[in-house]
Formats: sequence, C-alpha cells, structure tokens
Amino acid sequence: GAVVSQHPSRVICKSGTSVKIECRSLDFQATTMFWYRQFPKQSLMLMATSNEGSKATYEQGVEKDKFLINHASLTLSTLTVTSAHPEDSSFYICSARDFSNEQFFGPGTRLTVL
Amino acid sequence: QQQVKQSPQSLIVQKGGISIINCAYENTAFDYFPWYQQFPGKGPALLIAIRPDVSEKKEGRFTISFNKSAKQFSLHIMDSQPGDSATYFCAASSGFKTIFGAGTRLFVKA
Repeated sequence: GAVVSQHPSRVICKSGTSVKIECRSLDFQATTMFWYRQFPKQSLMLMATSNEGSKATYEQGVEKDKFLINHASLTLSTLTVTSAHPEDSSFYICSARDFSNEQFFGPGTRLTVL
Repeated sequence: QQQVKQSPQSLIVQKGGISIINCAYENTAFDYFPWYQQFPGKGPALLIAIRPDVSEKKEGRFTISFNKSAKQFSLHIMDSQPGDSATYFCAASSGFKTIFGAGTRLFVKA
C-alpha cells in the first residue's frame, strides 16, 4: 500500500514556541491531504483539508491562525502549531488521498507542550 | 446526517473466535466505507473497504458486510488472534469528506 510519513514522530516544546510537523506521501502524489487531531481513547477529529497550491479548509472551531497549514507540493504538507500551549498537546495525524480516492494515514506525531 | 455510529465501544473475544463490529450511517451520499486498524501510538492503517454496489467483501480473515437499505455495515474478524488486539474505526466517505466512527477497542484473549 501507499506510504505516508510524518516528521517528527515526537516533539516536546515549551509553551509559546511554534512547532512544525511535516507530512509526506512517499510513493504517490496526493491530491488532497488531511490533518487530524486525536485525544487518548477517542476518534480522529478532522482539523483541516488541504489541496496543493491552495488555501486549507478548516473545520468549524479550528483556529486557522493557530494551526497553519501549507501544502507546497503534491507530496508535502506541513502543519505549524503557533504559540503552542499545554492544551495543544495531542496526537496529530495526517493523511493523504491518492487519485483513486483511497486515504492513507501517517504514523502520527505526539506533541507535548510544557 | 453526518454521523457514523459505531458499536460496541469495546469488545473482548477469545482467541479463535469471531469479532463483530457494527456501524450505521444516515447520509445516503456516502459512497465509500473503509475500516481502519490502529495500534497504540500509531496512525490508523486501512484494513479493508467496500463500496455500496456490493454486499460483501472478504480479504483473508476480514469481511465487510454491507446493507444498503438499512444503511449499516459491519466488520467480521474470523479466527481472531491476540495480534488483532487494536482499536478499529469504521468510516464513511463522500467526495472529500470522511466521517469516522467513535472506534471499538478489541481485545483478543489468548
């Protein structure tokens, strides 16, 4: 199956700093990439949808100025958590959709804000 | 309209038994129904998926049963193994939107 990578897998940062998470589709071109947030023992919450070369579409309640998404190419999307606070600590997962509309998930990034 | 209801929330099955997880949806515009398996600390992995033009799909020990009229679909894991212990999510997709169920935590006892 198609492979989606995320980097870093874990990050610990101080409150007030910004953190960038990369999501790459390694062996296919992704028409669309998605960013999810997952709290312990809960389902995935869609944060935003991004298409290459255009602005991301954010779900209701997600602050676009806090969670900056850039989709620079058909294989790379980045999520930047700006001015992170402890309540932003979570498991962030990206996924990428290929041309057949199959959706493949990355391994996730565990963010801890101290 | 956008919800996907998944049950049970948790499930304990003996090794060799059958694990059954059920999902129901409301929006008839959904046209793709995948199941994902997630281990702790990992991202979800696509397990098996079905489209509404078929009533059943089987891949190895995993089978999806789909009932279009009832707007329900289920995952059956035959000969369940301890290695199948994970959280399973059903989902329903239409265009660019995918809605996930709440998840089922499966534990297979050795």
